[in-house]
Amino acid sequence: GDSVTQMEGPVTLSEEAFLTINCTYTATGYPSLFWYVQYPGEGLQLLLKATKADDKGSNKGFEATYRKETTSFHLEKGSVQVSDSAVYFCALRTDSSYKLIFGSGTRLLVRP
Amino acid sequence: EAGVAQSPRYKIIEKRQSVAFWCNPISGHATLYWYQQILGQGPKLLIQFQNNGVVDDSQLPKDRFSAERLKGVDSTLKIQPAKLEDSAVYLCASSLYGQEQETQYFGPGTRLLVL
Repeated sequence: GDSVTQMEGPVTLSEEAFLTINCTYTATGYPSLFWYVQYPGEGLQLLLKATKADDKGSNKGFEATYRKETTSFHLEKGSVQVSDSAVYFCALRTDSSYKLIFGSGTRLLVRP
Repeated sequence: EAGVAQSPRYKIIEKRQSVAFWCNPISGHATLYWYQQILGQGPKLLIQFQNNGVVDDSQLPKDRFSAERLKGVDSTLKIQPAKLEDSAVYLCASSLYGQEQETQYFGPGTRLLVL
């Protein structure tokens, strides 16, 4: 069945470091791909999305490119801030069911 | 624009008791979702409503869980009787039409602890 695999956390970085969180997926057809973020004490928020191969989603300095050949959607940011500390979830949605299928989440901790 | 509202935010019950959660989606959103998020895992869809009809409840444990959305607006999710493994955060989300590329907006969740 459809699934999402994320790198395990926690990921601990110093402020201004480069961030990569790996995400790969298994799905039939052509899913849409999403990154959601969950800040402490808050609900899930959409960070960015891509709906077809080679699309790049971007928001708040974060980027992810939909790579169909490697079935990946890795999240990157050039310079992280303390305020980026949160749990990041990769997710997919297929046109056959429309439900979101999430990875297990990756906790990011950014130190000053 | 008001977001998705949920209550209560926290609930502690003993096993075999019953509990209910309430969700009010964003105004005008036809599609409503309930997800279960167990600690250390990603959210898992329990049930999806389109207006007041059920679209997908394939992962809802129907022997103990029930949900309704009577007037196509707010919704309640009930567990009766609760088990220890039901301890989780229950997230409600809504979207405009429920289509593939739409954004789902999530509420803050209800954290349930079953003792």
